Amino acid sequence: DGGITQSPKYLFRKEGQNVTLSCEQNLNHDAMYWYRQDPGQGLRLIYYSQIVNDFQKGDIAEGYSVSREKKESFPLTVTSAQKNPTAFYLCASSMGRGTGPQHFGDGTRLSIL
Amino acid sequence: QKEVEQDPGPLSVPEGAIVSLNCTYSNSAFQYFMWYRQYSRKGPELLMYTYSSGNKEDGRFTAQVDKSSKYISLFIRDSQPSDSATYLCAMSLDNYGQNFVFGPGTRLSVLP
Repeated sequence: DGGITQSPKYLFRKEGQNVTLSCEQNLNHDAMYWYRQDPGQGLRLIYYSQIVNDFQKGDIAEGYSVSREKKESFPLTVTSAQKNPTAFYLCASSMGRGTGPQHFGDGTRLSIL
Repeated sequence: QKEVEQDPGPLSVPEGAIVSLNCTYSNSAFQYFMWYRQYSRKGPELLMYTYSSGNKEDGRFTAQVDKSSKYISLFIRDSQPSDSATYLCAMSLDNYGQNFVFGPGTRLSVLP
């Protein structure tokens, strides 16, 4: 079955530590996205990538970094510069260089130890 | 004023009821409208995707867009306990994913 796989499901970060969230898709979609979901707020875009080896900042990119070395993979690193990282992180993808509705993975919940 | 607003709920209804979920928005240029269903600790799942005004039906679900009022609705007929979830609306002016704006979601509980 085609889909988006996010791992791990739960992640804990210590102060000063960088952590990386994995996102893999086998839908052959060109575009991939990272969102942050906080209670009572809409999804907020962190980074997006329309093609391999290219990515753009979203609305809340500070304290995060990404890479897009393969079409299938779009890992997100939450750096120590992100002072409020506790949230539910969602990865999504869409066809055609980023047009059309997005399909989501099942998320990673990041908490601070 | 937020760009997209939804009643946060929770909205509780008895099984079999007709449910109406609503979003209002401020940007009259939005043309693409989506509804997602999100179960607890899961990612959003696309339910409906519409362009411009009018109605779209898919099984027990009907999406309605009223661009003149800047208002969209999702109707669920014969609601089931399995419909209990958070429903997110999303919209965009140009259909590019990086420009989608999501509402905060309405939590629905369908009681058996």
